Amino acid sequence: GQQVMQIPQYQHVQEGEDFTTYCNSSTTLSNIQWYKQRPGGHPVFLIQLVKSGEVKKQKRLTFQFGEAKKNSSLHITATQTTDVGTYFCAGPRNQGGKLIFGQGTELSVKP
Amino acid sequence: EAQVTQNPRYLITVTGKKLTVTCSQNMNHEYMSWYRQDPGLGLRQIYYSMNVEVTDKGDVPEGYKVSRKEKRNFPLILESPSPNQTSLYFCASRSHGADTQYFGPGTRLTVL
Repeated sequence: GQQVMQIPQYQHVQEGEDFTTYCNSSTTLSNIQWYKQRPGGHPVFLIQLVKSGEVKKQKRLTFQFGEAKKNSSLHITATQTTDVGTYFCAGPRNQGGKLIFGQGTELSVKP
Repeated sequence: EAQVTQNPRYLITVTGKKLTVTCSQNMNHEYMSWYRQDPGLGLRQIYYSMNVEVTDKGDVPEGYKVSRKEKRNFPLILESPSPNQTSLYFCASRSHGADTQYFGPGTRLTVL
């Protein structure tokens, strides 16, 4: 069945270093969403990408949707301790309401 | 304040004792969904609802029931809980046509 894989599972960085997490789907996605979950918190919606090759920025965060709409990435420039948390990608399974999440990438930032 | 609320936030119960986790949203959202989160598995969708009286299975519906009698509420029912349903549960909602899905604070369930 359809799968959404995310790598790496964990990433430890020094504050100020860059960070990237990758999301790969076994099937073409109509859109992809990214969420952030702080330790002990709930997922918070960050962004949705819809178009092939789309790139969106939110301050130090850059989101990309692949040309084939099967992969996506989230890049954080110059990480800060406030970036700590788990980042999830998610894509719809079909035209309905099913949503498949990747396993998430847990980011820790050492001051 | 726009929000999704869940109750209870924490629950310890025993195998076979029926329980309900409530979820309510005050944003008039059509779409609501339940997820469970387990270490290493991310978030897995249990059930979702596109609108009142319209529900459908997600990826892991076994052992769960839902109902959507009112737009604002979407309770999750465990008729006979088992230890493998020990997990962190999240309810979420969004408006049709909108990108943003709002999550509740989570319910940590332990089944002994």
